[in-house]
This record gives sequence, C-alpha cells and structure tokens, in this order.
Amino acid sequence: DGGITQSPKYLFRKEGQNVTLSCEQNLNHDAMYWYRQDPGQGLRLIYYSQIVNDFQKGDIAEGYSVSREKKESFPLTVTSAQKNPTAFYLCASSPTSGSSTDTQYFGPGTRLTVL
Amino acid sequence: AQSVTQLDSQVPVFEEAPVELRCNYSSSVSVYLFWYVQYPNQGLQLLLKYLSGSTLVKGINGFEAEFNKSQTSFHLRKPSVHISDTAEYFCAVRVRNAGKSTFGDGTTLTVKP
Repeated sequence: DGGITQSPKYLFRKEGQNVTLSCEQNLNHDAMYWYRQDPGQGLRLIYYSQIVNDFQKGDIAEGYSVSREKKESFPLTVTSAQKNPTAFYLCASSPTSGSSTDTQYFGPGTRLTVL
Repeated sequence: AQSVTQLDSQVPVFEEAPVELRCNYSSSVSVYLFWYVQYPNQGLQLLLKYLSGSTLVKGINGFEAEFNKSQTSFHLRKPSVHISDTAEYFCAVRVRNAGKSTFGDGTTLTVKP
C-alpha cells in the first residue's frame, strides 16, 4: 500500500521537552511538507523540502526543526522554544516531476498535547 | 503572496438539500485551485482540483466546483448532501511550479437529518 504514515497518532509531552514527530512516505515523492492546524484555522506551513538534504522555512518555522536525510522520511522536532506547541500536525508529500506535480497527499496527522 | 478566504466558517444544511461552500482567492500569478475534505482527527483528502481548461470541475463524492477568474472564486457545490458529508472543507491555492500551498481557514459543513 502506497501512502504517507505519521506516528504516533496521539502524543503527550511535558512542557519544556523536545519531541519528534515521524513522517514516512513510500510514494517516491521528492517534496515533503509539515503543516500545523489549530481549531478554526487552516493549515499553516512549518517547513518544506523539495529534495533530500535541503529544506526551507515556511510561515511559522520558529520553535521547530526538520531534517531530510532520506527521500522517504521528513521528521519534525518541536523544541522547547515553541511557545504553544499543542496542535494537530499534518505531513504531506508531492511529486516534483510527472503529471501530478500539482497535488499534495496528506498523512493522517499527529495530535500533540503539551501538558 | 497568495491568500484564500472561505466566506463561511460554518454551514448547516438538511440532508438531501443542495449546498455551496464559498471560496475567494487573491494572487498576482497563475495558480492551481483545490478543495480538500477533512474528517475528524484525520488528514486531508483531495476532493477536486482546477489546473486549466474547463472551468467546471467534478470531484469525488458528487462534489463539483466552478472556477471564475473574473471574480477570483472557486465555489464548491453539491446538489444533494448526505449525513456522511459532515466534515471540514478546505480551499487551497498553489502557485504553478512552486512547492507551497496556501489554505483557507476551513468551512464546517454539518448535515442534519
């Protein structure tokens, strides 16, 4: 089955701890993205990566970090510097060549709650 | 920069009634347009997209949308809704040949029996 997996589905952490959210895709997509979703708001872009070993900040990158060491993996670390980390986090991917470069495919999301 | 405005945050409707979810956008360059649906605690699923060509696009689950360039709108419609259509709907734009998408704040569609 091809798709995007995010783990865990629910995550609880104490304030001041760093936490890493996993995102893996087996779609052979070059581009991957992390979005944050808060109640009543749309998705806001945190980071994105168009190719392995390269990534760019999105609109709300402060307090987050990413790595892209492998094409299929794009983990997101929520650091203690993120002032309000409780949110629903969505990972997405898209091809950068071929006929479907326009479309992003989303994972099921991780709900992070900081206590 | 691009922006997306979904004009209604909540749309309640009775089962089998028609529905329209409104989306306006602004962009100085050509964009692709998308509608996604999100069920509770799940990711986004693509409903339909407009890339070029015919301004009326049909998607999954009986939804369709019409691109209106002069009004910079991309409203989503369904002639007869079901209880199972209750979900959050997001309109999004993406600049051609660029990676990022810009999303609206979402419209909660609630279908009542």
